[in-house]
Amino acid sequence: DAGVTQTPRHEVAEKGQTIILKCEPVSGHNDLFWYRQTKIQGLELLSYFRSKSLMEDGGAFKDRFKAEMLNSSFSTLKIQPTEPKDSAVYLCASSLGWGGAGDTQYFGPGTRLLVL
Amino acid sequence: SQWGEENLQALSIQEGEDVTMNCSYKTYTTVVQWYRQKSGKGPAQLILIRSNEREKRSGRLRATLDTSSQSSSLSITGTLATDTAVYFCATDDNYAQGLTFGLGTRVSVFP
Repeated sequence: DAGVTQTPRHEVAEKGQTIILKCEPVSGHNDLFWYRQTKIQGLELLSYFRSKSLMEDGGAFKDRFKAEMLNSSFSTLKIQPTEPKDSAVYLCASSLGWGGAGDTQYFGPGTRLLVL
Repeated sequence: SQWGEENLQALSIQEGEDVTMNCSYKTYTTVVQWYRQKSGKGPAQLILIRSNEREKRSGRLRATLDTSSQSSSLSITGTLATDTAVYFCATDDNYAQGLTFGLGTRVSVFP
């Protein structure tokens, strides 16, 4: 089975641009997560979908970050407009979502974003 | 924050040595998961320990959980250079928001 795939692996954007990151979860998984990873803050949850329904929209990230799950096998994260402080690695993860504790999350390789 | 302390650490050790890393958490959790992230990759789960377990082993890995002190540890015996990575602990204190990850421990194993 294929794992979580993310594209692109690297993205360079000018300040103010709109960028869209893509994620394909593991087939059959019901939960999908978007995280931002920086050295200072570590892994921060941006969005969480269960069976395509948005469960968590990331609080402080709401204004310029928008995640969508167009179908059970594809999700996008749009950042609009980008700012230099958005430079980070963006990770997508999926899990079975069977509702019990201890659900393992399977991560993609991430997209490294640099905003100039 | 879920975490009671800033637990971003860096450890450098020689191949063959044992290493232990710790994390503590503030609120109740039913499980603690440990993940490893190698350079350029996403995190991958190593071991999961439930609140009714004190210890869990998997190969060279040993995880402990002390719910009274709200802390967990991960030990690796006989480290290899390929164990070089950042290790995270994660809890499900509020699974409505997914897992909560600690800042991690960077372990560098030198041949």
